Amino acid sequence: GQSLEQPSEVTAVEGAIVQINCTYQTSGFYGLSWYQQHDGGAPTFLSYNALDGLEETGRFSSFLSRSDSYGYLLLQELQMKDSASYFCAVREFGGSSNTGKLIFGQGTTLQVKP
Amino acid sequence: DAGVIQSPRHEVTEMGQEVTLRCKPISGHDYLFWYRQTMMRGLELLIYFNNNVPIDDSGMPEDRFSAKMPNASFSTLKIQPSEPRDSAVYFCASRPGIRTGNYNEQFFGPGTRLTVL
Repeated sequence: GQSLEQPSEVTAVEGAIVQINCTYQTSGFYGLSWYQQHDGGAPTFLSYNALDGLEETGRFSSFLSRSDSYGYLLLQELQMKDSASYFCAVREFGGSSNTGKLIFGQGTTLQVKP
Repeated sequence: DAGVIQSPRHEVTEMGQEVTLRCKPISGHDYLFWYRQTMMRGLELLIYFNNNVPIDDSGMPEDRFSAKMPNASFSTLKIQPSEPRDSAVYFCASRPGIRTGNYNEQFFGPGTRLTVL
């Protein structure tokens, strides 16, 4: 089977750093993605890790450890606008030339307080 | 590019009625995905297409759901007959192919909020 685990809620204050963890169990694995979704909006892409290590994009960083089936999203210098849901997603192997599909976790709701 | 376009944005219907949701993917994208999002079940993949061909429909809940992609710029998701438990937000998403762009990034449409009474 396939499963992704991430915390359901996280609360932090403006200016702080927060880490959202994701553990996964899937058959066939290409990489780990992170998406952000504001209330009432559509998910938007944040990052993708195919290899072990840390990828940094501005205030956001994403980490992957393939051997541990674990990754995290790190948000620095939190702003009120970062209040949203964050989803980790695994891209599963699709076979032959197919690049596979995304399986999403249940999402973590981040609340940033003043 | 206008991004992924979905219509209608909101749909309210009565149980038993047919519902058709529409999607126009980003031009040049090879993959199209239909998702359903509810509080209880999260974001579920229903079906996806590659070059207009259905690849995996294992997420389609039952025979009442069907999806088509007659050409590269249009797809429909149909529910017939609709039931109250189908109430959800339905997202369409598209993604480039392996040769044409960053195929790791999926672009979502604004979604259709469906309410079945």
